[in-house]
Amino acid sequence: DTAVSQTPKYLVTQMGNDKSIKCEQNLGHDTMYWYKQDSKKFLKIMFSYNNKELIINETVPNRFSPKSPDKAHLNLHINSLELGDSAVYFCASSQDSQDGGETQYFGPGTRLLVL
Amino acid sequence: ELKVEQNPLFLSMQEGKNYTIYCNYSTTSDRLYWYRQDPGKSLESLFVLLSNGAVKQEGRLMASLDTKARLSTLHITAAVHDLSATYFCAVDQGAQKLVFGQGTRLTINP
Repeated sequence: DTAVSQTPKYLVTQMGNDKSIKCEQNLGHDTMYWYKQDSKKFLKIMFSYNNKELIINETVPNRFSPKSPDKAHLNLHINSLELGDSAVYFCASSQDSQDGGETQYFGPGTRLLVL
Repeated sequence: ELKVEQNPLFLSMQEGKNYTIYCNYSTTSDRLYWYRQDPGKSLESLFVLLSNGAVKQEGRLMASLDTKARLSTLHITAAVHDLSATYFCAVDQGAQKLVFGQGTRLTINP
């Protein structure tokens, strides 16, 4: 059973297009995240949602808009794609706890290439 | 702003040898994570360290956390080829916001 799944796995598109990446987790977790991994493998958090509520919203262009229809899904919509958006986007999820320290489980990644 | 630095960034070693990867961070935190990433793959959780002095071991890997020194180490004992991967440490800045190190690309040669 796949714990955190993302679609599509690969996405090749032209500059200026709008695209969406979908993420689903079947772990029953309360919190979901989007991360961006650049060509140098550097990972940076973009957003997190807890029970459909936006918690973390890093300095990300407003062309990126996350949407959480329910706590098992967190989608990422990107408008007017630019060359610099080319990267691997990872979705992750974790359980809530009072003390924190819960492991974040990562999806397989979506490799986005903007031409 | 929290900064997380790993060293070395690249490590090539022979099977059977021991080595240590270091993870330093700039502001107080007592939650640190280690992940492994194989080429083209996702991140796999290795260890969660939640207090000063925490030590965890799994197979040939052992991780420790010194919150006073703001330092975590990942020690590899008697390395084998299967451990070749990129290893990331990540520090919780609060509200489960993880700040990742640059990653250490480990290559283990026969």
